[in-house]
Amino acid sequence: DADVTQTPRNRITKTGKRIMLECSQTKGHDRMYWYRQDPGLGLQLIYYSFDVKDINKGEISDGYSVSRQAQAKFSLSLESAIPNQTALYFCATSDVTGANTGELFFGEGSRLTVL
Amino acid sequence: AQRVTQPEKLLSVFKGAPVELKCNYSYSGSPELFWYVQYSRQRLQLLLRHISRESIKGFTADLNKGETSFHLKKPFAQEEDSAMYYCALRGTGFQKLVFGTGTRLLVSP
Repeated sequence: DADVTQTPRNRITKTGKRIMLECSQTKGHDRMYWYRQDPGLGLQLIYYSFDVKDINKGEISDGYSVSRQAQAKFSLSLESAIPNQTALYFCATSDVTGANTGELFFGEGSRLTVL
Repeated sequence: AQRVTQPEKLLSVFKGAPVELKCNYSYSGSPELFWYVQYSRQRLQLLLRHISRESIKGFTADLNKGETSFHLKKPFAQEEDSAMYYCALRGTGFQKLVFGTGTRLLVSP
């Protein structure tokens, strides 16, 4: 099941480099989300988008930016990566019905290491 | 502010033993509570939601507004229940989920 696909799955980079994580979905959902997972901190919302023209900051948006290129694509960028952005990043989607029921569909995650 | 607390990072039980994963929340309005699960090498997925009052894979969870809790329970744990479990809350209005820090359940034979 590859309804929500994240690329790359693993990435090692250096401090100061620009990094883009990409998410694409074939579920036809309007809503897309980027979460960050850190050990002991759970999942924290970075950005979310309810449609192509609607992008909103989450709890921890500093140091990140996003682009909703199409309904099916939502990219997360780190303009100048720093070591404390080392984490596992998840993309998720939901439709209006799913948003109402609370069900998000997650990608497999992108593990980013910033040296 | 919305907050979800899962006090246990790791819960280790033997097969057949009862299991309870604790979840407490802080929210001034009427929350919706959920449990998500991530099995090894699988994606995070919804396990159950309080509003449905359902039992999934033998797990149940009751919303206790007085104690602001939504503990996940199963009377007889199975090895295949070993996974990472996240409690999540959604407040009224904007449908954003706030997740707890997660509890790893390890069921040993």
